[in-house]
Amino acid sequence: DVKVTQSSRYLVKRTGEKVFLECVQDMDHENMFWYRQDPGLGLRLIYFSYDVKMKEKGDIPEGYSVSREKKERFSLILESASTNQTSMYLCASRTGFSRQPQHFGDGTRLSIL
Amino acid sequence: DQQVKQNSPSLSVQEGRISILNCDYTNSMFDYFLWYKKYPAEGPTFLISISSIKDKNEDGRFTVFLNKSAKHLSLHIVPSQPGDSAVYFCAASAMGGTSYGKLTFGQGTILTVHP
Repeated sequence: DVKVTQSSRYLVKRTGEKVFLECVQDMDHENMFWYRQDPGLGLRLIYFSYDVKMKEKGDIPEGYSVSREKKERFSLILESASTNQTSMYLCASRTGFSRQPQHFGDGTRLSIL
Repeated sequence: DQQVKQNSPSLSVQEGRISILNCDYTNSMFDYFLWYKKYPAEGPTFLISISSIKDKNEDGRFTVFLNKSAKHLSLHIVPSQPGDSAVYFCAASAMGGTSYGKLTFGQGTILTVHP
């Protein structure tokens, strides 16, 4: 079974802090994704990476950056956290074939105070 | 610009009956569709998918129907069980170009199955 692990289940940070969310997958998947889930809006794609050191903006990249130095690890960075970034953050991975499903971690509930 | 829409925020069904969850899309380039189920405090789990070359795909109690002309897909669960109570998301992707097969999700529908 694919295992996608997000480093924290719950996180509380302050406005203006730099925040790192970590995600690790154990299936040697090429593609990795970061989403945020908000009530009534579903899952929205922030950034994705189709290979090591490669990244592409998703639908809502503003205020975020990402890092993928190793194949198994994909980090989401909030450069200067703001209250409107309070959300559930979900990481996913997928083999390089587009018609395969993405596999998700259990999410990080991030609160910015 | 919501390209994938689930217009019913919630659905309540009696155990043993059929649950029908609906999803509409606007982007005619979408050619691969998926349904995910999500329990509270867990990540979404993949349920079933369908390619645009098909109009139906079945897996046990779950069947997905695709109507390309109407840009509509639906998920049928028969029979419904209390353990099916969860949030259901439909998602769509387009092959080719620079899309890399990224998924666009609907807003989700909360399904409650009553014993």
